[in-house]
Amino acid sequence: DVKVTQSSRYLVKRTGEKVFLECVQDMDHENMFWYRQDPGLGLRLIYFSYDVKMKEKGDIPEGYSVSREKKERFSLILESASTNQTSMYLCASSPPGLRNEKLFFGSGTQLSVL
Amino acid sequence: GESVGLHLPTLSVQEGDNSIINCAYSNSASDYFIWYKQESGKGPQFIIDIRSNMDKRQGQRVTVLLNKTVKHLSLQIAATQPGDSAVYFCAENRDSNSGYALNFGKGTSLLVTP
Repeated sequence: DVKVTQSSRYLVKRTGEKVFLECVQDMDHENMFWYRQDPGLGLRLIYFSYDVKMKEKGDIPEGYSVSREKKERFSLILESASTNQTSMYLCASSPPGLRNEKLFFGSGTQLSVL
Repeated sequence: GESVGLHLPTLSVQEGDNSIINCAYSNSASDYFIWYKQESGKGPQFIIDIRSNMDKRQGQRVTVLLNKTVKHLSLQIAATQPGDSAVYFCAENRDSNSGYALNFGKGTSLLVTP
């Protein structure tokens, strides 16, 4: 089975801190994604990457950046955390190609910014 | 932009009854649809998917129906069990510019009562 691992289940950070959320997948997937999940808003795409060192903005990239130095690892970075970034963050991966849209998700990181 | 939405935010059913969760989509170019189940404290898990060249697909106790004429998707769960209690998300595929990311609805909470 595909395994997507997010390094932290819960994180508490202070406003202005730089925050790193780590995600690792073990299925050699080219595509990786970061979503945030908020009650009543569903899942919203922040950033995605379709190859090492490649990154593309999703629908809500403001306040975030990403890093993909290795194929299996995709990091989400909050340069200066703010309270409105308190959320559940979900990492996902998928194989390449048009007919491989099924995403495999990690368990999520619940981030609280105080 | 176009979005995926749900008719009902919450659904309560009795154990043993059949459940129907509905979803409306507006992007007529979408050709792949998928349902995820998210239990408390976990990431979304794949349930079933369907391509636009089909109007029905069955899995184990679950059936997805696609009506392209009215842009409607539904998930039917037969003989609902307490373990089916979760939030259910429908999603549609996006284009290649998004790395074939998925666009998610806001979710429906299913509560199974004894």
